[in-house]
Amino acid sequence: KAGVTQTPRYLIKTRGQQVTLSCSPISGHRSVSWYQQTPGQGLQFLFEYFSETQRNKGNFPGRFSGRQFSNSRSEMNVSTLELGDSALYLCASRRGGENEKLFFGSGTQLSVL
Amino acid sequence: AQSVSQHNHHVILSEAASLELGCNYSYGGTVNLFWYVQYPGQHLQLLLKYFSGDPLVKGIKGFEAEFIKSKFSFNLRKPSVQWSDTAEYFCAVSRSGGSYIPTFGRGTSLIVHP
Repeated sequence: KAGVTQTPRYLIKTRGQQVTLSCSPISGHRSVSWYQQTPGQGLQFLFEYFSETQRNKGNFPGRFSGRQFSNSRSEMNVSTLELGDSALYLCASRRGGENEKLFFGSGTQLSVL
Repeated sequence: AQSVSQHNHHVILSEAASLELGCNYSYGGTVNLFWYVQYPGQHLQLLLKYFSGDPLVKGIKGFEAEFIKSKFSFNLRKPSVQWSDTAEYFCAVSRSGGSYIPTFGRGTSLIVHP
């Protein structure tokens, strides 16, 4: 069974630009979550999508948005990039029920210059 | 909302030393508890989890964790570490009773010297 796939692996952008990251979950998983990982803050939850609907949301500004398609693939968009958005963005999938463990992808390393 | 605190940000040990990584959470209700590990160059993966029952939970690679409800703690332990245990360790907590997403701690970087 293929794991969680995130593309691209690396991105370099400049301030003010916008970026779209992609995540393909494990087959059969309907939940996709996004996390921002930085050395000082650990993993911070952005949002979760389940069956194309946002089910949970973290405390990030509106510049961070996402969506999920009918095949459960998800995209995350960040508009008007800031230097502080430089981070590893992780996607995780699970079937969707309670108590299920998360399966993580390798992440997209975003650098904002 | 719940929060998670990991006391040690960096731990350096020699092989065969014992390990204990602290994790405390703040939430008054019933919780699910997790430890995830990220080996160098690899994905984050589940090390062990606690939902209910025996508060002493055993995971992969000889790790265990004990849930102490009165202390809101879920410390990770291993009696004798190996060089291959070098990794980043994350404690996570989610509210029980729904499809809640886990809240993660900041992580502890463990380096084991051979």
